[in-house]
Amino acid sequence: DAGVIQSPRHEVTEMGQEVTLRCKPISGHDYLFWYRQTMMRGLELLIYFNNNVPIDDSGMPEDRFSAKMPNASFSTLKIQPSEPRDSAVYFCASSLGVLGNQPQHFGDGTRLSIL
Amino acid sequence: SQELEQSPQSLIVQEGKNLTINCTSSKTLYGLYWYKQKYGEGLIFLMMLQKGGEEKSHEKITAKLDEKKQQSSLHITASQPSHAGIYLCGADLRGGGNKLTFGTGTQLKVEL
Repeated sequence: DAGVIQSPRHEVTEMGQEVTLRCKPISGHDYLFWYRQTMMRGLELLIYFNNNVPIDDSGMPEDRFSAKMPNASFSTLKIQPSEPRDSAVYFCASSLGVLGNQPQHFGDGTRLSIL
Repeated sequence: SQELEQSPQSLIVQEGKNLTINCTSSKTLYGLYWYKQKYGEGLIFLMMLQKGGEEKSHEKITAKLDEKKQQSSLHITASQPSHAGIYLCGADLRGGGNKLTFGTGTQLKVEL
């Protein structure tokens, strides 16, 4: 079975540019999560969706960040405009059901570098 | 300060040795999840614990959640090079939600 698929795997861009990260969750999973991992702050939840609807976006750092899930098989995380401090590894995860019943399964991440 | 503390931060063991990684919280752990991460890759789910006193094993890895549900340990028996990586504990600290709080991670190296 295919796992969570993220693209691109690596992204290097200049400050001020728009960045779009993509995620395809595991088929049938109804929860989708976006995380950010940095050396300083570790792994942090940014936002999560249930049945394509954003449920909790309290972890989104600024208005420059936005996430969408237009359908059950696709989600995007967008940063506009990007800044060097946004450099991190961004993970997407999905789960079947609520926490406590099912674990979250992670993609391989997108390593983002903002110059 | 971190809500979820892991110890040690890093560990180097010889192949064949046993080791233990701890994950401690000042709050109740409504659910505790252990993951393994290799550099440049995503997190691989290992085990999920929910009940106080619960213990689960998979191959040579055993995870326990203490009775008070504030600490979990991950024990590896007869370590192998394939066990090397970063081990992360993630916890539901609020109960009933879907938010996982992650620990700082433990980097494990296994020497031949």
